[in-house]
Amino acid sequence: AQSVTQPDIHITVSEGASLELRCNYSYGATPYLFWYVQSPGQGLQLLLKYFSGDTLVQGIKGFEAEFKRSQSSFNLRKPSVHWSDAAEYFCAVGAGDNAGKSTFGDGTTLTVKP
Amino acid sequence: GAGVSQSPRYKVAKRGQDVALRCDPISGHVSLFWYQQALGQGPEFLTYFQNEAQLDKSGLPSDRFFAERPEGSVSTLKIQRTQQEDSTVYLCASSPLRGTGGEQYFGPGTRLTVT
Repeated sequence: AQSVTQPDIHITVSEGASLELRCNYSYGATPYLFWYVQSPGQGLQLLLKYFSGDTLVQGIKGFEAEFKRSQSSFNLRKPSVHWSDAAEYFCAVGAGDNAGKSTFGDGTTLTVKP
Repeated sequence: GAGVSQSPRYKVAKRGQDVALRCDPISGHVSLFWYQQALGQGPEFLTYFQNEAQLDKSGLPSDRFFAERPEGSVSTLKIQRTQQEDSTVYLCASSPLRGTGGEQYFGPGTRLTVT
């Protein structure tokens, strides 16, 4: 069975500081990994995804994530956080085009201090 | 272009009533997904369609839940004899690719409250 753990329920960072959101997954084969962001009143939006190849993937809004198979992790990073990044972030794992089920973590809420 | 839309955005039902939640995916998208999202949690998978075929319904919580996508576009999630525990947000997403191989585009959700 696939599962996702986001250990940090809530993170607060100052504007301009760096950010790392943790994600650990459990999956029996090569996973399809995703990070989504959900702002208040908005639908979930994809930030980035990893399927194969380069383990460091770039996404929108200046985000990046690194896939580490040995640690079963897919942490999201941003070098300098903007106030508009305050939102809830979800990591998800899927099985690719052979299956329809994605499993999401419970999310990390990011607060940005001025 | 238009994104995924869901209607109604809010639904209040009395316990025991039947409800129908509609999802209009992005035109041409092959895959359609339904999720529940409880407060403070991530989306939880309910069911998956590839075109008109329902390929995975393993997440439907009981036989009171039924989903269809008869022409491979619009989908309806129906809940019969609603219970209070059905109160939550229902999300729909669509994808241009099969399965979970691609980005899912999410709708704004329908918040169901059962009284």
